[in-house]
Amino acid sequence: NAGVTQTPKFQVLKTGQSMTLQCAQDMNHNSMYWYRQDPGMGLRLIYYSASEGTTDKGEVPNGYNVSRLNKREFSLRLESAAPSQTSVYFCASSPQTGSNSPLHFGNGTRLTVT
Amino acid sequence: SQKIEQNSEALNIQEGKTATLTCNYTNYSPAYLQWYRQDPGRGPVFLLLIRENEKEKRKERLKVTFDTTLKQSLFHITASQPADSATYLCALSRSNDYKLSFGAGTTVTVRA
Repeated sequence: NAGVTQTPKFQVLKTGQSMTLQCAQDMNHNSMYWYRQDPGMGLRLIYYSASEGTTDKGEVPNGYNVSRLNKREFSLRLESAAPSQTSVYFCASSPQTGSNSPLHFGNGTRLTVT
Repeated sequence: SQKIEQNSEALNIQEGKTATLTCNYTNYSPAYLQWYRQDPGRGPVFLLLIRENEKEKRKERLKVTFDTTLKQSLFHITASQPADSATYLCALSRSNDYKLSFGAGTTVTVRA
């Protein structure tokens, strides 16, 4: 049972390059999320998808786009990477969107933008 | 603006002792509070959820309290073991709100 799978695990980009972070879950969850984690700061929500076909902005959406490809997959795209986007990115899923629904996280993508 | 603060310093304790972590919040009225464990290089793993009308919740060696008057949650690991060494995150949410707001975490090291 894989849970939430993220690819790639590591990535180095030059400023201005683009890339897509992939996320897939096999738990038949309705809701999926993208967070970033920076040293000394809590996880911050970038975008979320309450259900297949819907996406909404979170706390820090600028510079990112998302696609909920199907129920299993939720990708995060950086169109023009900036050094401020150097971070660890986590994808998460939950059975439904709700304040009492625990999140299941992947193991992250470590992104460095030079 | 809302603020969530966890123990700013890492916690180093002897095996067998109880570790107590704090999560304080301001400008926030959460309905739910969750605790997660995060190991180096891994994603957070859910441990416990407590509701605003619950004072205490237990799961095996873990105990969480939630005091909405003090705006504080305490997380206890009793009879700690070296395997409990990790970073622990608290997260808060309002009722009917998708958004989970996380603290920065407290790193616990249990010495054998």
